[in-house]
Amino acid sequence: DGGITQSPKYLFRKEGQNVTLSCEQNLNHDAMYWYRQDPGQGLRLIYYSQIVNDFQKGDIAEGYSVSREKKESFPLTVTSAQKNPTAFYLCASTDRGKLFFGSGTQLSVL
Amino acid sequence: EDQVTQSPEALRLQEGESSSLNCSYTVSGLRGLFWYRQDPGKGPEFLFTLYSAGEEKEKERLKATLTKKESFLHITAPKPEDSATYLCAVQARGGSQGNLIFGKGTKLSVKP
Repeated sequence: DGGITQSPKYLFRKEGQNVTLSCEQNLNHDAMYWYRQDPGQGLRLIYYSQIVNDFQKGDIAEGYSVSREKKESFPLTVTSAQKNPTAFYLCASTDRGKLFFGSGTQLSVL
Repeated sequence: EDQVTQSPEALRLQEGESSSLNCSYTVSGLRGLFWYRQDPGKGPEFLFTLYSAGEEKEKERLKATLTKKESFLHITAPKPEDSATYLCAVQARGGSQGNLIFGKGTKLSVKP
C-alpha cells in the first residue's frame, strides 16, 4: 500500500540534544512538507521541499533543519536551539494540491 | 494577513442530530479550500477540496459548501463514528501546493 511512514511514533528529547524524525513516502510525490501541531492551535509549516536537494523555510523554521537527498525521504532534525519542541509533528506530501499526511510523531522533552 | 477561523471550537451532537461547522477565511486570492478529518493521535485525512464560490461536494453524511468568505461542513444524521476533529485550510495564490493555512479545528462529539 502506498503511503507516508513516520517514525518513531513517540520520541523523547533531553536538554541540549538534537533528535531526528523520519519521514518516508512511496507515493512518488515530488513535494514533501513538515508541519507542527500544538494543542488548540492550527498546523504550522516548518519546512518544505519541492524537489530533491532543494528545500525552503516555512513559517516556523528556527531551531529545525531538514535534508532531501532522496525523493522518498525527508527527515526533520529538531536541534537544541528549538526551546519549545514538545508538539505533534506531521509529515506530508502533495498530489494535485491535496496534502496526504503521515501518522505523526509525538515529541516530548524529558 | 491570511487567516482561517473555525467555529465552534467544540460541538456535541446526539446521534441523528444534523448540524454545520463553519470556516471563515481571509486570504489574498483563494486557490483552494480544504477540509480534513483528524482522529486523536493520527494524521489528518483528506475529505474535500473546493475551488470557487457556489461549489459543493458530498461524501456519505458530509457536504461541504463554499462562499466568497466562508465554507460550511454540513453533517446529516451523524453517527458516533463521525466523532473527530475537523480541520479547514486554505491555499493562497502564490503559495506552493502544500503550503496551507490551517484553522484550529472543530472537535465534534456524537453521542449514541
